[in-house]
Amino acid sequence: DGGITQSPKYLFRKEGQNVTLSCEQNLNHDAMYWYRQDPGQGLRLIYYSQIVNDFQKGDIAEGYSVSREKKESFPLTVTSAQKNPTAFYLCASSKVVNTEAFFGQGTRLTVV
Amino acid sequence: GQQVMQIPQYQHVQEGEDFTTYCNSSTTLSNIQWYKQRPGGHPVFLIQLVKSGEVKKQKRLTFQFGEAKKNSSLHITATQTTDVGTYFCAGRDSGGGADGLTFGKGTHLIIQP
Repeated sequence: DGGITQSPKYLFRKEGQNVTLSCEQNLNHDAMYWYRQDPGQGLRLIYYSQIVNDFQKGDIAEGYSVSREKKESFPLTVTSAQKNPTAFYLCASSKVVNTEAFFGQGTRLTVV
Repeated sequence: GQQVMQIPQYQHVQEGEDFTTYCNSSTTLSNIQWYKQRPGGHPVFLIQLVKSGEVKKQKRLTFQFGEAKKNSSLHITATQTTDVGTYFCAGRDSGGGADGLTFGKGTHLIIQP
């Protein structure tokens, strides 16, 4: 089945620890994105990648880092520098940037 | 930076009533997309509009892109319980700058049977 997979679905971490969220797609899409969703808020763009080995900051990149070493994979690291990391994180991909986006099921991160 | 605003934030309707959500951008958009997110789920793409004044229909859903390409609307006729969820618009600034869509905060549609 083609799709985009995020893991894990729920993640708990202690304050001060870095944590990496996984995102894999087998849709052969060039573009991938990370969004953050907070209650009552829309989706805010953290990072995006138009092509492998390239990525750009979105609106709220501070405290996050990404890599795009493979076309299929776009992991997001939430660092200890992120002041309010508890949120619902959504990964998406599209054939090229800003076309129809396919979203993963999301990872709900709770930092205690 | 670009801002995309959606109204209303919440809409309660009786099943069978119509529903409309409006999306307004602070800048001219190159395109606009609409997504639906069911409670506890992830956003699912509904449609993309590109042309000024464009109108597209999907069964009971009608999507419209404004002439100035700064606003858009989604209208649902005769709502059903399956329409429950949050509807998001997302657009890209036509003036260049960063790629990546800017999402509105969404309109939560609540349907009372």
